[in-house]
Amino acid sequence: DSGVTQTPKHLITATGQRVTLRCSPRSGDLSVYWYQQSLDQGLQFLIQYYNGEERAKGNILERFSAQQFPDLHSELNLSSLELGDSALYFCASSVDPGNTEAFFGQGTRLTVV
Amino acid sequence: DQQVKQNSPSLSVQEGRISILNCDYTNSMFDYFLWYKKYPAEGPTFLISISSIKDKNEDGRFTVFLNKSAKHLSLHIVPSQPGDSAVYFCAASASGGSARQLTFGSGTQLTVLP
Repeated sequence: DSGVTQTPKHLITATGQRVTLRCSPRSGDLSVYWYQQSLDQGLQFLIQYYNGEERAKGNILERFSAQQFPDLHSELNLSSLELGDSALYFCASSVDPGNTEAFFGQGTRLTVV
Repeated sequence: DQQVKQNSPSLSVQEGRISILNCDYTNSMFDYFLWYKKYPAEGPTFLISISSIKDKNEDGRFTVFLNKSAKHLSLHIVPSQPGDSAVYFCAASASGGSARQLTFGSGTQLTVLP
């Protein structure tokens, strides 16, 4: 158990809909990362937050947004969903933004039908 | 453009033998490299890392080698055990300001046969 909790584990939704994925980081970790893993692909970095503020952006679509709350949990919002958004979404956390040994949650599997 | 490449999607090895997983990168700004292991229905777990100032790092049965001139790293597992069967991801990071994010390869499925 990495200490990073992601909910829900599975999500099935229709095209055009909006979903929210939730992540609780390890106790004491201030930095949260979101990654997307599509079929047969490596993990693609989406966005990083540190202590409530956006710190770095990767290949995140404009239809996607994220935030980190004062209690340090984070949410990833995916809107106007398309079939191609079906993927595993991982959240990871680390103590600070410079620490690259991140701890991953077990992921949320999103299926868009 | 894939900056971190794992060209072998799968590898099978007999128990007790050496497993060698390879990874190539293109971005010369990468200065920290990690290997993660992932079991089905779980998130990736950190295995071992190496800084660009070193060419080798060892932790028990796991050794990572870095060849900066070739932009190549490899993970050696000796001896391989059936419990090592998992997907192994190579990842790299570049120092840039105060934020770091990992660029992952597509993974190699290692199967250790008993």
